[in-house]
Order: sequence, then structure tokens, then C-alpha cells
Amino acid sequence: DVKVTQSSRYLVKRTGEKVFLECVQDMDHENMFWYRQDPGLGLRLIYFSYDVKMKEKGDIPEGYSVSREKKERFSLILESASTNQTSMYLCASSLRLAGGPFQETQYFGPGTRLLVL
Amino acid sequence: QQQVKQSPQSLIVQKGGISIINCAYENTAFDYFPWYQQFPGKGPALLIAIRPDVSEKKEGRFTISFNKSAKQFSLHIMDSQPGDSATYFCAASGGSYIPTFGRGTSLIVHP
Repeated sequence: DVKVTQSSRYLVKRTGEKVFLECVQDMDHENMFWYRQDPGLGLRLIYFSYDVKMKEKGDIPEGYSVSREKKERFSLILESASTNQTSMYLCASSLRLAGGPFQETQYFGPGTRLLVL
Repeated sequence: QQQVKQSPQSLIVQKGGISIINCAYENTAFDYFPWYQQFPGKGPALLIAIRPDVSEKKEGRFTISFNKSAKQFSLHIMDSQPGDSATYFCAASGGSYIPTFGRGTSLIVHP
């Protein structure tokens, strides 16, 4: 059974703290994604990666950075947490096909609900 | 980023009724159209998906209808059950285009 795990289900941090969210997948997928989910706004892409050490900005990268040192692990970093980063964060992975790099199903983790005080 | 417009934002249906959620896309290069289902406290999971070479795909009570010329696709849930209550997201992707999601539809099925 495919699995995407996220390091924490719930996290409470203070404004200005550096926050690390980790995601691990066991499916040998090339693509990995970080989204944030807010009511009424759906899933918004923060960053994605299509290979180790590769990263691309999504729609809302400001205030975030990512790291992908190993194929199975994709980390999201909030350099200095702010209250407007309170949200649900979802990690996903997908297979990368030669004919269509983003053509396949995304597999999501359970999410991390982050509260920044 | 290419848009995918999803409607309605919320939907209330009686048990046994039909739930219909619609999506429209802009980019004709999209060639993969999945629907994801998300229960509270969980991540989204693939429910059903279609590629543009067919106009309809059915899996149990769930059907995707696809209209390539109108650039629209919809999810139909027949005989809706309380256990179907969830948030549903449509998405579109393909080629070098990263997946683009609709904003989601919150479905409540009353017993």
C-alpha cells in the first residue's frame, strides 16, 4: 500500500520561529509537492520537486523554502513563522512518466495542521 | 497557473439523491482529470479519474462525464450516502503542466 507520511499531525509554533515540516514517501516517486489548504481557497501549491535537489516555486512560495536531499524526503521550511501561515499543510507525491511528467495520480499525506501564535 | 473552476462550493443532498459537481478548465493541453475525495482530518485521495479519449467513466456509484469541446467535466454520485459526505476536488494536469486543483466542494448527504 502506498504511503506518504508527514512528521506531525498538529504543530503549535510562535511567531518568528523556524518551522520544519517533513514528508516521506515510500513509493519511489520522482515528484513531490507541498500544498497549503485553507477554507474556500482549496489547495494552493507552495513548492514542488521533480528530482533530488531540484525545486520549483509554486503559486505561493513567499515565506517558505524547501529541501530535497533524498528522493523519498521533501521538507518544507518556514524561515520565520507568521500568523498568516496558520494552515493545513499537505504533502503529495506522484510518479514521473517520460511522456508526461505530471500526468499521474498524486498521493497525499494526512496533513499537518499548523497553528502560529 | 492555469485555472480550474469548480462549482458549487457546497452541496446538500438527501440520502439516495444524485450529487453533481462541475469543473471547467482552460488549458487544452491538460490530459488527465482526476477527482479527489477528502474526509475531515485526512489528506485527499484519488476517487476516480478520466483521460480525454473517453466521454464517461463509471466506477460503482461514481461517474465522470467529460466534454472536451466545452472543456468541462463533472462528477456524478448516484444514490448518495451519508458516508459520501466529504470535500471533493477536481484537478487537471498533463504533459509538463503541474496539477491544478479546483477550490473544492463540501458535500453533505443527509440521512
